[in-house]
Amino acid sequence: EVQLVESGGALVQPGGSLRLSCAASGFTFGHYWMGWVRQAPGKGLEWVANIFTRQYGYELNYVDSVRGRFTISRDNAKNSLNLQLDTLRAEDTALYYCVREQIYNDKSYFDSWGRGTLVTVSS
Amino acid sequence: QSVLTQPPSVSGAPGQRVTISCTGSSSNIGAGYNVNWYQQLPGTVPKLLIYGDSNRPSGVPDRFSGRRSGTSASLAITGLQAEDEADYYCHSWDSSLRGYVFGTGTTVTVL
Repeated sequence: EVQLVESGGALVQPGGSLRLSCAASGFTFGHYWMGWVRQAPGKGLEWVANIFTRQYGYELNYVDSVRGRFTISRDNAKNSLNLQLDTLRAEDTALYYCVREQIYNDKSYFDSWGRGTLVTVSS
Repeated sequence: QSVLTQPPSVSGAPGQRVTISCTGSSSNIGAGYNVNWYQQLPGTVPKLLIYGDSNRPSGVPDRFSGRRSGTSASLAITGLQAEDEADYYCHSWDSSLRGYVFGTGTTVTVL
């Protein structure tokens, strides 16, 4: 059974930093693109970032609003996906979901979701 | 501000058919990028409902169907059931933004 378990969410002041982690199990982690999707309280879904596999050169992609502030990474040996959040803003407040991606026609869809970890940015 | 527009809400009586539209543009759906759909039941994690425009993952009832045409896509639910009350989101790639985009979301209410 595929399992994705996020951790690292917390209350942080504007301008602060956090590191989110996602522990994956039940599948060959290194074979899948992985990503992060967030959902602000009472709002819709927003794609944040993803990272490809070794076969695809570990390419990184980000939504414009976080590019330069967030960094996605993966550790295939530890079956772990990470998201470093720097220079946090109030609008980054959200539940952050770890997602597994399935490649389809050179893009992907998200076939497995973790339960999320809550990031709150407030003074 | 999402580039994929959905109606905020749709409703129907049990057993009826409802459709949810997802309107994009020439840089996403109109460019031929596939559309996926997710269902988020109240207080739960989003779940993949449709991928690649019209494909259902194992375990998704055939009451759910999707299609893509031009710059839009749609999700249809036939034989509406109380358990279908949820938020639904479309999802695709946008070549101008160089990233994935979600629709604005639609809340389905069973009357």
